Amino acid sequence: GAVVSQHPSWVICKSGTSVKIECRSLDFQATTMFWYRQFPKQSLMLMATSNEGSKATYEQGVEKDKFLINHASLTLSTLTVTSAHPEDSSFYICSAETDLGNTIYFGEGSWLTVV
Amino acid sequence: AQTVTQSQPEMSVQEAETVTLSCTYDTSENNYYLFWYKQPPSRQMILVIRQEAYKQQNATENRFSVNFQKAAKSFSLKISDSQLGDTAMYFCAFKGQGGSEKLVFGKGTKLTVNP
Repeated sequence: GAVVSQHPSWVICKSGTSVKIECRSLDFQATTMFWYRQFPKQSLMLMATSNEGSKATYEQGVEKDKFLINHASLTLSTLTVTSAHPEDSSFYICSAETDLGNTIYFGEGSWLTVV
Repeated sequence: AQTVTQSQPEMSVQEAETVTLSCTYDTSENNYYLFWYKQPPSRQMILVIRQEAYKQQNATENRFSVNFQKAAKSFSLKISDSQLGDTAMYFCAFKGQGGSEKLVFGKGTKLTVNP
């Protein structure tokens, strides 16, 4: 199947700093990518939909100034957690929609710990 | 709005046996996609199988097959010859046919395969 790569897998940052997570589609062009957060023992919570070349669409309750999403190319979307706080510690995972729009593949996910 | 329901929070099966995970959904659309994703302890979301609503034939992928009943809005997953590596959370998901449509997830079923 198609491959979506997410980096880094694990990151620890100090409170107040920013951290960037990358999501790449390796063998297909992804006009649309999605960013999720997953709390323990829960399903995935969609944070935002990222469209190449345009502003991301954020879900209700997600702070767009805190979770900056950039989708500058058809193979790369980034999520930047700005001024991170311990409550931002979580598992973040991206997904990419194939160019036909009929399948969505996920990255490996990123564990963020804010200390 | 679409909803996806997985009524079995947890299930267990003996190795080599067959197990069926249930999923029902609600939508007013006629064309859409349905997916089963597997999330092992590593937390990566792995696409197990997909079904296009306009196809009557049930999708199969090796030991995994679905029973898609469009009129009943049911999409169950059958795992044959269960293996220890099948132990994971399984999420059923719905996606509308349009581009940039987000996945709608069920709450998941935790499957344990016992030796």
